[in-house]
Amino acid sequence: QVQLQESGPGLVKPSETLSLTCTVSGDSVNSGSYHWSWIRQPPGKGLEWIGYIIYPGNANYNPSLKSRVTISVDTSKSQFSLKLTSVTTADTAVYYCASYFVGGGGRGYWGQGTLVTVSS
Amino acid sequence: DIQMTQSPSTLSASVGDRVTITCRASQSLDNWLAWYQQKPGRAPKVLIYKGSSLESGVPSRFSGSGSGTEFTLTISSLQSDDFATYYCQQYRSQSYTFGQGTKLEIK
Repeated sequence: QVQLQESGPGLVKPSETLSLTCTVSGDSVNSGSYHWSWIRQPPGKGLEWIGYIIYPGNANYNPSLKSRVTISVDTSKSQFSLKLTSVTTADTAVYYCASYFVGGGGRGYWGQGTLVTVSS
Repeated sequence: DIQMTQSPSTLSASVGDRVTITCRASQSLDNWLAWYQQKPGRAPKVLIYKGSSLESGVPSRFSGSGSGTEFTLTISSLQSDDFATYYCQQYRSQSYTFGQGTKLEIK
C-alpha cells in the first residue's frame, strides 16, 4: 500500500511561489502505475484538481492553473513536488497529494493534506 | 474541459433513509467516474470507481450507477457514519474535474 506525506511551508506571501513536496513510501515514484497528483481545497469549499504527472515526466494540469503550475518527480528522494507561482489569497487551501492508479478510474491513495495560507 | 454538475448541494435525511446523489457531465465519460466521501478535517475516501465498482472495504449499502453523462450514488439505508460530504470526479479527459459536492446532513 502506498503512503503519502505532504510537506512544505504553511505560510506563503502574496506574489511568491508555493512549493510543496509529497514523500512516497510503499512503491516507487518511477512506477508507471500511478498518476502522481495534487488536489486542493480552500477552507469551507470543494475539491479542485490541480494536476498530475506520470513518470518520467508526462504532466497534465488544470487549465485554470496551467500557466502557474509545475509538477515534477525526484526519484532519488522518492518524492514528487508542486510549484505554484504568483500566489494570491485565493490560493489559500489544504493541499493534498494523491496517487491514482493509471486506468483505475479513481482508485488510489491520498495524503492527509497540508494547509497553506497565503498572507503578508 | 468537462464540467461536472452535482445535485443536490445539500441533502437532509434520517438514519435508515435511502438517498441518491446525482452527477451530470457536460460530455460523455463512458464509465470514468468515481465517488468520494469526505469528513471534516480528513482526506477524501474513494467509495465507487469506474462508475459502479465498489472499492474494497466500503459497505455494500453504497452503490453507483450510470454511464455516459449521468451518474448516481445511492446509499440504501443511511447509517450515522454516512453523514459527510460526497464528491464525484471524472477521469474521462486528461483534465480531471470534481463536482461541487453534496453535504449530507442529519434531518
